[in-house]
Amino acid sequence: DIQMTQSPSSLSASVGDRVTITCRASQGISNYLAWYQQKPGKVPKLLIYAASTLQSGVPSRFSGSGSGTDFSLTISSLQPEDVATYYCQKYNSAPHTFGGGTKVEIK
Amino acid sequence: QLHLVESGGGVVQPGRSLRLSCAASGFTFSSYALHWVRQAPGKGLEWVAVISYDGSNKFYADSVKGRFTISRDNSKNTVYLQMNSLRAEDTAVYHCAETSGNWGQGTLVTVSS
Repeated sequence: DIQMTQSPSSLSASVGDRVTITCRASQGISNYLAWYQQKPGKVPKLLIYAASTLQSGVPSRFSGSGSGTDFSLTISSLQPEDVATYYCQKYNSAPHTFGGGTKVEIK
Repeated sequence: QLHLVESGGGVVQPGRSLRLSCAASGFTFSSYALHWVRQAPGKGLEWVAVISYDGSNKFYADSVKGRFTISRDNSKNTVYLQMNSLRAEDTAVYHCAETSGNWGQGTLVTVSS
């Protein structure tokens, strides 16, 4: 099965900073990658699908890129409401594995 | 408005069974694949299973294969997760999720003696 590895596992950045989270697949998955945001005590929210397509209603400071095995999620200007854990997920075929998550905090 | 509501969680002893349900509304249920995803307390997300729109294809995580069964009743707009031979490590909040990113609030399953 394809493994999904996220890095870093946590980060702390200042408001306004550019933040990048990476996700690596152990084999190529084309662009069948989604990013989710989970705030404490809340249900995960879909941010990006097809590696780079922003879900409706998601702020434009979020962006995704990549294809094949290497992907990234970027927050162009970190806001206090972005404090959350972020997960990547492959969906080219089952199992639809999630990455281990990246916890984002404000410095 | 798309809505997914899970039920059936609770406290169960190791080795016993439990069946979760997920009732859907607000979309053409029979046109979509449905997933179960779980999250153990303080841990990350774990994909559990998926069933195709018509129930003809089902896939499972290795951690539950042979113990869990996903099914659906399109006449009732409901997807199920039959969980047998439960283990302590199955303790988690179980969410159903639709392919375009909508999730239910989840139901807590606690496996403990």
